[in-house]
Amino acid sequence: GEDVEQSLFLSVREGDSSVINCTYTDSSSTYLYWYKQEPGAGLQLLTYIFSNMDMKQDQRLTVLLNKKDKHLSLRIADTQTGDSAIYFCAETTNDYKLSFGAGTTVTVRA
Amino acid sequence: NAGVTQTPKFRILKIGQSMTLQCAQDMNHNYMYWYRQDPGMGLKLIYYSVGAGITDKGEVPNGYNVSRSTTEDFPLRLELAAPSQTSVYFCASSYSGGTYNSPLHFGNGTRLTVT
Repeated sequence: GEDVEQSLFLSVREGDSSVINCTYTDSSSTYLYWYKQEPGAGLQLLTYIFSNMDMKQDQRLTVLLNKKDKHLSLRIADTQTGDSAIYFCAETTNDYKLSFGAGTTVTVRA
Repeated sequence: NAGVTQTPKFRILKIGQSMTLQCAQDMNHNYMYWYRQDPGMGLKLIYYSVGAGITDKGEVPNGYNVSRSTTEDFPLRLELAAPSQTSVYFCASSYSGGTYNSPLHFGNGTRLTVT
């Protein structure tokens, strides 16, 4: 919700890199996540990063965290049509509840 | 394992009617959650439960009730449905609270329209 903000839409050409940005307000966030939602389905955990890390790479996915600016980004290399989905940024302070952003709808065009 | 199962998938209610959204998980998860998803608003937490017999309010609990009589089931009750409750409802569960090693597992959602 209000604690996590993302841009709503991103259009990218197939084969290019996608970068999805997120800002959060809670400086005590311990974990930050990226969830993916495909049409008609629930959310699935894509990747995560601890608050004491700056970067995490997982195959085509790179997560960057700037704690000072409270900014999180997700880069998808070589974006494919199967990457078209809504991507949610989320954070938790370890109290069993996640705060989600509004989601970024990524459209991959040929 | 079926994971998290939500029923029904779709429902249309008239203003003032009541209904129960069902959620069941077969993963022996302790934590269960109900979220609503509205366009451009992300997911808002309605209620959550950390175990059978224990429930707590989230950000937007008004107009809803829950119960957790078993580990597996976490139904969400709408009394006196209002148009503002038109939304997509997601149930989720996790073993120990949604952290990186115990991520949330989501159902496929229930799309509810109140007219």
